[in-house]
Amino acid sequence: DTAVSQTPKYLVTQMGNDKSIKCEQNLGHDTMYWYKQDSKKFLKIMFSYNNKELIINETVPNRFSPKSPDKAHLNLHINSLELGDSAVYFCASSRKDRLVQYFGPGTRLTVT
Amino acid sequence: LAKTTQPISMDSYEGQEVNITCSHNNIATNDYITWYQQFPSQGPRFIIQGYKTKVTNEVASLFIPADRKSSTLSLPRVSLSDTAVYYCLVGDKPQAGTALIFGKGTTLSVSS
Repeated sequence: DTAVSQTPKYLVTQMGNDKSIKCEQNLGHDTMYWYKQDSKKFLKIMFSYNNKELIINETVPNRFSPKSPDKAHLNLHINSLELGDSAVYFCASSRKDRLVQYFGPGTRLTVT
Repeated sequence: LAKTTQPISMDSYEGQEVNITCSHNNIATNDYITWYQQFPSQGPRFIIQGYKTKVTNEVASLFIPADRKSSTLSLPRVSLSDTAVYYCLVGDKPQAGTALIFGKGTTLSVSS
């Protein structure tokens, strides 16, 4: 029943490791997003895909690479994790013609 | 890029009406105004969206003056469970160049 789901919910890892976060939506939306929310609670867009095509790519280190195997999935792979990557990462989706986004529950990433 | 400005925090008591104003002086012709609610440890949740004048749903009302340079989210008769962070987002449909700037949001605290 969950509209936008993310796995894992919590992720604790060491600096230098590579990790992935998965996102799936069952709303039939064409557009998906990744956001980062840091300790100050600022919510910042990282990427957006429209039907598997990258349409928004903010200034994000190359260590972050989104992958969209199909329009219902948008995964986030992070290489060489750094302490500053610790944050909550939210996936979201929307219709392609309307900016009303539905967010997932978030993945809390802690890099030690 | 439509940047938004909201009060950092507001306090209210149960049963009162709460009005949160968002300023967006650089709003573009095609931009819509969307409000989200976020509880701790959860993803933002869509509340309401509007383009001009007034929009009402079962949760809130959104008032937008003719010049559209600001908007006001109105929550009728708030309860303790309305304590959350409220974000105003201004933008067109998701596409390359769309600014997805959530800003700092307004932390609403409702007391009994």
